[in-house]
Amino acid sequence: NAGVTQTPKFRILKIGQSMTLQCTQDMNHNYMYWYRQDPGMGLKLIYYSVGAGITDKGEVPNGYNVSRSTTEDFPLRLELAAPSQTSVYFCASSYIAGGQETQYFGPGTRLLVL
Amino acid sequence: QKEVEQNSGPLSVPEGAIASLNCTYSDRGSQSFFWYRQYSGKSPELIMSIYSNGDKEDGRFTAQLNKASQYVSLLIRDSQPSDSATYLCAVNAVGNEKLTFGTGTRLTIIP
Repeated sequence: NAGVTQTPKFRILKIGQSMTLQCTQDMNHNYMYWYRQDPGMGLKLIYYSVGAGITDKGEVPNGYNVSRSTTEDFPLRLELAAPSQTSVYFCASSYIAGGQETQYFGPGTRLLVL
Repeated sequence: QKEVEQNSGPLSVPEGAIASLNCTYSDRGSQSFFWYRQYSGKSPELIMSIYSNGDKEDGRFTAQLNKASQYVSLLIRDSQPSDSATYLCAVNAVGNEKLTFGTGTRLTIIP
């Protein structure tokens, strides 16, 4: 049971380049999330999904896009990388049981835009 | 006003003492409260969740919730150097799939 996996672990992009951050979970969770974490800061929600085919914006969605074609996968797309997108990106998935939610995080992707 | 506020620290506590971490929130509709531990360079790890007023104990950790005062705290008894990390408070409301995180408190346990 791998939990939540993310690739790549680290990436350097030039301004204007694009890339996709991959996220996969094998726990059959309906809910999936993308966060970014800047140094010394908390987690900011970028996008989230409550199930395959359903996505919604979070707090900081500008410059990003997502898709959710399967329960397992929730890729995050950066179309035109900007220095402001330098951050650590965490994917998470969660389930709700008995009205209580538990959220599991992937190991993160460190992105540097130069 | 920030939705979830934490003292950023650093909070230094001697080994073996009690570490007390506090968090306040602004949304009175918040129903679920979580404490995550994050080691430097690692992802957050859920250590405690609490949903009703009062105390919830799990080993050396105790979460305390006071909805009337809109605060939630985490106590760590018999602090160990391995407890040195950043602790993130997170809350969400009933029917809301999104968690709101505080900026975290950096805790250092001094041997």
